[in-house]
Amino acid sequence: QVQLVESGGGVVQPGGSLRLSCAASGFTFGSYVMHWVRQAPGKGLEWVTGLWQDGSHIHYIDSVKGRFTISRDNSKNTLYLQMNSLRAEDTGVYYCAREGELHRLDFDTWGQGTVVTVSS
Amino acid sequence: QSVLTQPPSVSAAPGQRVTISCSGGSSNIGNQYVAWYQQLPGTVPKLLIYQNDKRPSGIPDRFSGSKSGTSATLGITGLQTGDEADYYCGTWDSSLSNVVFGGGTKLTVL
Repeated sequence: QVQLVESGGGVVQPGGSLRLSCAASGFTFGSYVMHWVRQAPGKGLEWVTGLWQDGSHIHYIDSVKGRFTISRDNSKNTLYLQMNSLRAEDTGVYYCAREGELHRLDFDTWGQGTVVTVSS
Repeated sequence: QSVLTQPPSVSAAPGQRVTISCSGGSSNIGNQYVAWYQQLPGTVPKLLIYQNDKRPSGIPDRFSGSKSGTSATLGITGLQTGDEADYYCGTWDSSLSNVVFGGGTKLTVL
């Protein structure tokens, strides 16, 4: 079945780095736009970044521009999020999400999430 | 503060109908499709409605979506205790070049 499995979360000090991974299975990964969405503790959903199938289009929320980098390896069916210069406000659950077909801009499949905690 | 505005909470009795509103502007809801997500306590968000009013396979027809101008509405009929969850609207904002979500609405089934 269609599945997304995130990994790479953890506890990191402010200013530190983490690399999140999202392993996809059950569908043709290279045919879909992929995104990262996060949720701070007790808060709502916040879209972070999205990447087109061929890497030709990338968008980021302003608060992570210059610090986070999204990438993908279609041969490995894996999405990545490199997070540098982490701040306390980056703390939360990070979800990998698949965009609906034909650039629908909704998220029809979500991973279980990986927890990122930025704290000294 | 979210770009899309939702009421923080709504409540209704089992079996009744409830609506959740999502208000935006011309750069988002006014010119883009709207999606709705359900997040049951302690779980991952799930797509309920896409392209304003379409339901993914497996979503019961108790859930419906509509859009008018710069606002969208999620309707839920025949409320069940299992519908207690947080509900989020989401869309693309062409000015921000971002996906934007509403702040979420907590549904309580009394």
